[in-house]
This record gives sequence, structure tokens and C-alpha cells, in this order.
Amino acid sequence: AQSVTQLDSHVSVSEGTPVLLRCNYSSSYSPSLFWYVQHPNKGLQLLLKYTSAATLVKGINGFEAEFKKSETSFHLTKPSAHMSDAAEYFCVVGRDRGSTLGRLYFGRGTQLTVWP
Amino acid sequence: EPEVTQTPSHQVTQMGQEVILRCVPISNHLYFYWYRQILGQKVEFLVSFYNNEISEKSEIFDDQFSVERPDGSNFTLKIRSTKLEDSAMYFCASGTVGNYGYTFGSGTRLTVV
Repeated sequence: AQSVTQLDSHVSVSEGTPVLLRCNYSSSYSPSLFWYVQHPNKGLQLLLKYTSAATLVKGINGFEAEFKKSETSFHLTKPSAHMSDAAEYFCVVGRDRGSTLGRLYFGRGTQLTVWP
Repeated sequence: EPEVTQTPSHQVTQMGQEVILRCVPISNHLYFYWYRQILGQKVEFLVSFYNNEISEKSEIFDDQFSVERPDGSNFTLKIRSTKLEDSAMYFCASGTVGNYGYTFGSGTRLTVV
């Protein structure tokens, strides 16, 4: 069975400093992995996905994530935070690497606050 | 950019009443989904729908729930007799082969009183 653990419920950073949002997963299969972001009163927007051999995945808005199978981790990073990055971030695992259309399993979310 | 549209954004209903949550998926998408998030809990899968039938449902999706694609543009979730514990944010999503993952709507917050 698939599950996701987001290690921090809240992360606060200053504008211009790096962002690290941590995620560990558990899967019976070779999973697909995603990060979604939700801004207030908006839908869940896909930031990036991992479904292939490239372990470092680049997404939108300067975010990237690295798949580490040995650590069962998929941490999200950004070199320099911007005020507009303040939102809730969800780490998500899908059933298998080949499909982005199957059932998704969500982490609890990490609320990112960016201070000026 | 194409969007998944959900209406209403907030619905209040009395316990025991039927409620229908509406979604307009992206027009060329073929796969449709409902998820929900109870306050303070994880986003949970409810059901997926493809080719006019349910392709997968979770243990949450019992006989009180049903989905329908009544025409070429809408996708609905019906809760037959609402309970207090059905209060949650309900997200609709759609996707298609080759698409970059799902596209989610902004959600309908259902409050059962």
C-alpha cells in the first residue's frame, strides 16, 4: 500500500533564502511521485512529477525535487523563496511509475510561510 | 490555461438532505475523479470515472455516494443522505493520457448542519 509522510506541518523562511519541504513515502510498487501546491481559494496545482529514471525533477516556479530510492524520500527544494511561494504544499504518491492517471495518495501538507 | 470548474464554492445543507456537487472538467479530458479533504485531515481519494463508468472507488465511497456524467461537459457527485461527517472540501479533477498529471478544481466546501 502507498503512503506519504510530510515531516513538517509548517515551514517558515525569509524571502530570498532556500526552501526545503521534506517528504518520505512508502510504496509496494515503483511509484510515481508528485508535489502539488494550493494557494488560498485555488485548486491543487501540479508543481512537478517523478515517473522516470531522472532522479532530479525540475518543476514550475523554480522548484525541484530529488527522488532518493534508498531513503524513500522526495524532498522539494527551491534555492530562493519568493513571497508568492507562500501556500500549502502536498507530497503525493501514485500507484505506479508508468501512470499519472491512477489513484493518488496525499500527505498531510506543509504550510509554507515566507517572511519579507 | 484550461481549468476544472467546481460549483458552488461553498454549500451548506441539513443532515439527511441530498446534495449534488458539480464539476466541469477540461473539455478534452477523459478521466474524472473526486477527492475530499476533511478539515485537518489528508486529501482522500473517493472515485475515478472513465468511459462512463466507475473505474475505481475507495472504501469511503459507499452506497450514499454516486457519480454521473449527465452530458458531455458536467461531472457530478451526489450524496444521497448527508451526514455531519460528510462535511469536507470536495475536489474534482480530470486528466487524459499524456497529460502532465491531473488538473484539480478549486473545490467545493460542503458543510452539513
